[in-house]
Amino acid sequence: GQNIDQPTEMTATEGAIVQINCTYQTSGFNGLFWYQQHAGEAPTFLSYNVLDGLEEKGRFSSFLSRSKGYSYLLLKELQMKDSASYLCAVIGTYKYIFGTGTRLKVLA
Amino acid sequence: EAGVTQFPSHSVIEKGQTVTLRCDPISGHDNLYWYRRVMGKEIKFLLHFVKESKQDESGMPNNRFLAERTGGTYSTLKVQPAELEDSGVYFCASSQGTLGNTIYFGEGSWLTVV
Repeated sequence: GQNIDQPTEMTATEGAIVQINCTYQTSGFNGLFWYQQHAGEAPTFLSYNVLDGLEEKGRFSSFLSRSKGYSYLLLKELQMKDSASYLCAVIGTYKYIFGTGTRLKVLA
Repeated sequence: EAGVTQFPSHSVIEKGQTVTLRCDPISGHDNLYWYRRVMGKEIKFLLHFVKESKQDESGMPNNRFLAERTGGTYSTLKVQPAELEDSGVYFCASSQGTLGNTIYFGEGSWLTVV
């Protein structure tokens, strides 16, 4: 079967660093996306990994290990506006398969 | 550049009625996807159009759901007759290519069946 697992909720403090993990089991793999979704809004693209390793984009970094079926999204210098759901999505053979998302609460 | 737009943004209908959701993808995007998110659950794939053709409709829950994309531009998703379990957010997304291409989401159409 196809499965993507993420923690349901995480809480962190403004200015801190948080790591959101994602493990996946899919038939076929053609890349992994992270999306951010604020309540009531559309998911917006954050990052894309297709090769093993770390991709850095400002305060956000995403890591992929294909052999372990594992990715993480690292958020540094957390800001209040980072409170949102973070969706891990894997491109299987043809489809984009989404996890349930991780709700991140950033506290002052 | 305009993003993916969806209409209506919110809809409340009674069980047994019909609702039609519309999606206008980003101009030039051949690939159009419909997804649904039921409260508390993951975003689930419904179907994928490449231009006007259905590439994959394996996620469509049953024959009460009908999606069309005449002319390969905008798409409609009709639910007829609607049931209570159809309530959720219906997201449309589009992309230029397929594998490895970022998909861009619309704001979603929130459907409540009462």
